[in-house]
Amino acid sequence: GESVGLHLPTLSVQEGDNSIINCAYSNSASDYFIWYKQESGKGPQFIIDIRSNMDKRQGQRVTVLLNKTVKHLSLQIAATQPGDSAVYFCAENRDAGNMLTFGGGTRLMVKP
Amino acid sequence: SAVISQKPSRDICQRGTSLTIQCQVDSQVTMMFWYRQQPGQSLTLIATANQGSEATYESGFVIDKFPISRPNLTFSTLTVSNLSPEDSSIYLCSVSGGARNQPQHFGDGTRLSIL
Repeated sequence: GESVGLHLPTLSVQEGDNSIINCAYSNSASDYFIWYKQESGKGPQFIIDIRSNMDKRQGQRVTVLLNKTVKHLSLQIAATQPGDSAVYFCAENRDAGNMLTFGGGTRLMVKP
Repeated sequence: SAVISQKPSRDICQRGTSLTIQCQVDSQVTMMFWYRQQPGQSLTLIATANQGSEATYESGFVIDKFPISRPNLTFSTLTVSNLSPEDSSIYLCSVSGGARNQPQHFGDGTRLSIL
């Protein structure tokens, strides 16, 4: 596949362990945040979102935590599986429209 | 969510030529966007494709290099003109609704290589 994630920070976890992927955002006025998963050869896939009036939101095996004080976002994946191996991007809304600013991305590698 | 199809999925082009990428959505959408993802990098917004009017370009991207059309609410094209090796990237189309704070959904991208 193409070199998506080739030069990105890498998190390596054992299958079955929990994964935590972190993201620092820059705009204190951002009020909406999204996590995307990008597998090799595919476009980014929506995982979960959170609005700034919340600190935590849970989905299926995933949890997003938002700390507005330090402008930090994290994605927790429970019981990480080989299919979770991908590049993960956080994104924040930029303005009154629906335009997004993407973070640098983290490559998650799951060891069997 | 909407199904987004991009064509071509990949191409290899000669320097100085142009490539037009198509983005087709299976339902009407308010917002359509075009992104570039350079090798090993994150996504950078090129422009917002506006239906019935000229696209809105981000800083560093110009209409002469990246002309965009959006003739209706389900279709858009991005042309990458006068290709050079620096244009080798993945080009991605995304869509969202018109209400505030909605996620964007992406196509699988067009992988462009320049000889």
